[in-house]
Amino acid sequence: GNSVTQMEGPVTLSEEAFLTINCTYTATGYPSLFWYVQYPGEGLQLLLKATKADDKGSNKGFEATYRKETTSFHLEKGSVQVSDSAVYFCALRMDSNYQLIWGAGTKLIIKP
Amino acid sequence: GAGVSQSPRYKVAKRGQDVALRCDPISGHVSLFWYQQALGQGPEFLTYFQNEAQLDKSGLPSDRFFAERPEGSVSTLKIQRTQQEDSAVYLCASSLGGGGAHGYTFGSGTRLTVV
Repeated sequence: GNSVTQMEGPVTLSEEAFLTINCTYTATGYPSLFWYVQYPGEGLQLLLKATKADDKGSNKGFEATYRKETTSFHLEKGSVQVSDSAVYFCALRMDSNYQLIWGAGTKLIIKP
Repeated sequence: GAGVSQSPRYKVAKRGQDVALRCDPISGHVSLFWYQQALGQGPEFLTYFQNEAQLDKSGLPSDRFFAERPEGSVSTLKIQRTQQEDSAVYLCASSLGGGGAHGYTFGSGTRLTVV
């Protein structure tokens, strides 16, 4: 079946460090890929998405590129801030289905 | 409203008690989804409504779980005879169009603890 695998957390970085959170997927077909962020005490928010191979999603300094050859959608940011501390979820959705299939989430901790 | 509202934010239930969790989606949103998120895990799909029709309930873990959306707006997820394994955050999401193709807006969730 379809699935998403994320790197385990927590990931702890210093402010202004470079961030990568790995995400790989397994899918029969060509899914749309998403990164959601969950700040403490808040609901899941869409951070960025990509709907086809080689698309790059970007938002708030975060980027992720849909790589069909490696079935990956790694999240990157060049210089993180304390305010980026949150849990990040990678997810996929098949065009033929409305369900989102989620990774387990990666907790990011940024220290000043 | 401006966002998806869920209530209560926190619920503690004694094992065997029935609970009802409410979701107020964004006004006019056709699609409504319920997800269950266990501690340290990603959300798992429970059920999907398009307007008042429950089109998919394949994710409901047992017949103790029941969801409704009688007028196509507010939805209630009911859990009967709660068990400890029901402890989780229950998330509601709504979407403007059918099937979630227009993107989802999530509520903050209801954290259910069964003791």
